[in-house]
Amino acid sequence: DAGVIQSPRHEVTEMGQEVTLRCKPISGHDYLFWYRQTMMRGLELLIYFNNNVPIDDSGMPEDRFSAKMPNASFSTLKIQPSEPRDSAVYFCASSFSWIKRQKSSGNTIYFGEGSWLTVV
Amino acid sequence: GIQVEQSPPDLILQEGANSTLRCNFSDSVNNLQWFHQNPWGQLINLFYIPSGTKQNGRLSATTVATERYSLLYISSSQTTDSGVYFCAVPMIKAAGNKLTFGGGTRVLVKP
Repeated sequence: DAGVIQSPRHEVTEMGQEVTLRCKPISGHDYLFWYRQTMMRGLELLIYFNNNVPIDDSGMPEDRFSAKMPNASFSTLKIQPSEPRDSAVYFCASSFSWIKRQKSSGNTIYFGEGSWLTVV
Repeated sequence: GIQVEQSPPDLILQEGANSTLRCNFSDSVNNLQWFHQNPWGQLINLFYIPSGTKQNGRLSATTVATERYSLLYISSSQTTDSGVYFCAVPMIKAAGNKLTFGGGTRVLVKP
């Protein structure tokens, strides 16, 4: 499998612009997660989906952030309008659910390579 | 929510040395994972280990669930082991897949 695929890998944008980050999870995984990593706050869970349905978005910082998962193989994280404090690495990750977990790997979470966002 | 703490925060090793990283958590968990973030930022899953012991090459991990800690052992360290090691546990007891990450242990292996 190709693993979790994210795009773009790097984005530099001006304050106020819309940013869309994309993710393709590992085929067959039914959980998808969006994390954000900063020096100050470490790795934070923003939102996660189960079978394309958002389960918990309590980590989304504010209304400027939104996430969708229109089908099992695609998700987006959108920031509109972007601000300099949104600069961070955004990771998408996927896993099997507890019910579908594989015996040896359990609920192992696999991360994409991240989208490095800089808002100037 | 469940709290997770890692120690030490930083570790400098000479190539070939062994080391132990620790992860303490505040409540019983059904899911614990160790990750390595390499200097290029990639997060690689090392172990899914809610209990017991596993080994993968020079790395091994042990989780003592009843005492709420996990250990990651690095033997015969190599420069490629440099990076940050994270452990992750569920944020709350019933949410097995909703993980929170510790602050990490930054490891530098010198040649």
